[in-house]
Amino acid sequence: QKEVEQDPGPLSVPEGAIVSLNCTYSNSAFQYFMWYRQYSRKGPELLMYTYSSGNKEDGRFTAQVDKSSKYISLFIRDSQPSDSATYLCAMTGGSTLGRLYFGRGTQLTVWP
Amino acid sequence: EPEVTQTPSHQVTQMGQEVILRCVPISNHLYFYWYRQILGQKVEFLVSFYNNEISEKSEIFDDQFSVERPDGSNFTLKIRSTKLEDSAMYFCASSENTNQETQYFGPGTRLLVL
Repeated sequence: QKEVEQDPGPLSVPEGAIVSLNCTYSNSAFQYFMWYRQYSRKGPELLMYTYSSGNKEDGRFTAQVDKSSKYISLFIRDSQPSDSATYLCAMTGGSTLGRLYFGRGTQLTVWP
Repeated sequence: EPEVTQTPSHQVTQMGQEVILRCVPISNHLYFYWYRQILGQKVEFLVSFYNNEISEKSEIFDDQFSVERPDGSNFTLKIRSTKLEDSAMYFCASSENTNQETQYFGPGTRLLVL
């Protein structure tokens, strides 16, 4: 299935860098877009969610959705070593509301 | 902060055996889900459950799988006759009634079928 595409990385950046994580999708019915953080062998932790197009900011994290391009992004400002994890995008909407479709996840390492 | 819990954290079983994975969702949540993640692959939806019945199930959720809410707090996933390819991390999640898109995940059960 190619509902949601996400570059798995790995992505390695120095502490303090701005990180950009992205996903593309094919299903125009998707309306809710989520970002999860997953540490090794742990469950996904909900970071942010956005409804429809636009931006949402929460501290150092900014989520962007461009429905016309079917493209979503997560920006992390002033990245910290504790941000090192796998970041998963997920989305849902339409008749399958509640069924989350995940990307493969991008593995991020922030080195001091 | 309330959280979803799952037991056991690890389960090793022989092919053909039945396993039951247990979850305690967040107490005021009304929608419950099971997902699985095969090593190195995407998190995949299995089933959603609301008001004591299945709301939706994926093509993965065939007759060997079943879910149950045996009491007011537990939510279980049963695999009747495990196969090697059932080896995966199984995650339970829950959401409030009006916010199905915001699902909170448990730590997972790592199932290994030998």
